[in-house]
Amino acid sequence: GENVEQHPSTLSVQEGDSAVIKCTYSDSASNYFPWYKQELGKRPQLIIDIRSNVGEKKDQRIAVTLNKTAKHFSLHITETQPEDSAVYFCAASRTGANNLFFGTGTRLTVIP
Amino acid sequence: DTAVSQTPKYLVTQMGNDKSIKCEQNLGHDTMYWYKQDSKKFLKIMFSYNNKELIINETVPNRFSPKSPDKAHLNLHINSLELGDSAVYFCASSQGPNYGYTFGSGTRLTVV
Repeated sequence: GENVEQHPSTLSVQEGDSAVIKCTYSDSASNYFPWYKQELGKRPQLIIDIRSNVGEKKDQRIAVTLNKTAKHFSLHITETQPEDSAVYFCAASRTGANNLFFGTGTRLTVIP
Repeated sequence: DTAVSQTPKYLVTQMGNDKSIKCEQNLGHDTMYWYKQDSKKFLKIMFSYNNKELIINETVPNRFSPKSPDKAHLNLHINSLELGDSAVYFCASSQGPNYGYTFGSGTRLTVV
């Protein structure tokens, strides 16, 4: 099955700086890569996703990049704000899979 | 109008008891899931249910039994609860395993 590794496990940045979270996956057939944000005591929520036919996708201050050859993808958050503080999960899946496989999460703290 | 609703939100029970968690989605999705989130925030797939086919994760003890009366509902019944079952359980739904999930609000289960 798929194995998704996520780094770092914790990340602290000053407000206004950028944050980058990286994930690697093992199944070369994986073709769908979503990112979820989970605030304290809340449910995980989809914030952005990318499919393997594109290399980059942006939505305001967040962007995801995908390197299929190296089997890694990253989440980039620019101009971080305190409300960006949360646990972020990457995930991977392929056509025909039964479910998403999640990374182990990154706790992002944005220091005002 | 909540898209994926779970009840109860909190559940405190004694070891050895049997309990159920209910999940309902009004998104018209064909696929539903149960995930377990432990104290380290790791999201582990327990079950996926796609168009009347239940996929069981073989690492889940058979004390856990999912039941789906129709495609809008996927309930979780747990027999003979153990201390190690304490966790947050999330229900989710999607158009399919290769699409983004919508999570329920979670059920925090505490076994004492």
